[in-house]
Amino acid sequence: DIQMTQSPSSLSASVGDRVTVTCRASQSISSFLNWYQEKPGKAPKLLIYAASSLQSGVPSRFSGSGSGTDFTLTISSLQPEDFATYYCQQSFSTPRTFGQGTKVEI
Amino acid sequence: QVQLQESGPGLVRPSETLSLTCTVSGGSINSYYWSWIRQPPGKGLEWIGYIYYSGSTNYNPSLKNRVTMSVDTSKNQFSLKLTSVTAADTAVYYCARQGLLGVESSYYYYGMDVWGQGTTVTVSS
Repeated sequence: DIQMTQSPSSLSASVGDRVTVTCRASQSISSFLNWYQEKPGKAPKLLIYAASSLQSGVPSRFSGSGSGTDFTLTISSLQPEDFATYYCQQSFSTPRTFGQGTKVEI
Repeated sequence: QVQLQESGPGLVRPSETLSLTCTVSGGSINSYYWSWIRQPPGKGLEWIGYIYYSGSTNYNPSLKNRVTMSVDTSKNQFSLKLTSVTAADTAVYYCARQGLLGVESSYYYYGMDVWGQGTTVTVSS
């Protein structure tokens, strides 16, 4: 199985901050990397696919980059509705695997 | 707009079988892969497996011997069965569509683009 490791596990930030979350794969996954946002009591929401493509309807302040084993999710200017947990997930091979999550707190 | 809804018992006894159904509305089940994902309390997401509308399946090896997925295209539903459950199977169970989001240089990029709201299943006597 491909292991996905996110850092940090949690972070504190303020509205307007630039926030970066990192995800590392245990082997090269090319650009087969997705990012999801999860809020308490809600299903995860797809933000980014193919490492850097913005899913339809997702605000442009979200962006993704990277390839191979190292990936980054960036929120350019944190908004109140962005406080949530973020997960990376590889779609390179099965079983699909997720990172452990990064909680973005106020 | 495609919507998914999980249904099934919220309480299952240890050693018994967990059975859930996901109903697809607002679109067809055809031509897609359909996934099950779970999230134990306070923990991260675990992919259980997926089923293609034609019935072919791919399961997580960590659960493979206990998992069966099926699809009923006439009802626009797909289902999950997990046998011999223990307390470790207590989780929120989600169904999701695995959409083909992009194609580039013969590479196919998939992501779980539509999710059900999730259903809590507790394993307890």
